[in-house]
Amino acid sequence: NAGVTQTPKFQVLKTGQSMTLQCAQDMNHEYMSWYRQDPGMGLRLIHYSVGAGITDQGEVPNGYNVSRSTTEDFPLRLLSAAPSQTSVYFCASSQRGADTQYFGPGTRLTVL
Amino acid sequence: KQEVTQIPAALSVPEGENLVLNCSFTDSAIYNLQWFRQDPGKGLTSLLLIQSSQREQTSGRLNASLDKSSGRSTLYIAASQPGDSATYLCAVRKGGSQGNLIFGKGTKLSVKP
Repeated sequence: NAGVTQTPKFQVLKTGQSMTLQCAQDMNHEYMSWYRQDPGMGLRLIHYSVGAGITDQGEVPNGYNVSRSTTEDFPLRLLSAAPSQTSVYFCASSQRGADTQYFGPGTRLTVL
Repeated sequence: KQEVTQIPAALSVPEGENLVLNCSFTDSAIYNLQWFRQDPGKGLTSLLLIQSSQREQTSGRLNASLDKSSGRSTLYIAASQPGDSATYLCAVRKGGSQGNLIFGKGTKLSVKP
């Protein structure tokens, strides 16, 4: 199993550009989530999904969209990138919401 | 609002020492608590998960305890090794099986040979 994979590993955007961060898992997990990690702060939940077709907002959802058309994939879309979205983004999955979370390697995003 | 605090923010110890990392949370109504390890530039690796009904969990040289009523958890690392150097994160899951994880800011551990 590859576990949780994320692409790209690094990305530089200009303010106002849009892009999609990809996340995939091959463990048939129902629960998937996106976090951002900023220096001096803990990880903060952006969006999560408890199954295909179901998504919900986390703590910091503004400026981000998600969809869950399949069990395996959970892409995160930045609609109009802002410098405040410069961060490291992690995708995670688990069999059920309360189970051990498995994290991807992260995407380091810089918005100029 | 649930807040998770980890003390100390950084810790440096000589190899072989036993050490304790602390995690405290403000709302005792948690579903479970999880300890993670994060290496520089990498993702998080789950170390131990303690359900709210449990008092402790052990894995190898690691032992995590949970005192839900006082809002505290500790991660005990026995006979530390340089390979243990990393940032250790504590996260609590809010009440309910679909509750979200709330993370602390982490303790950066350095084990000197």
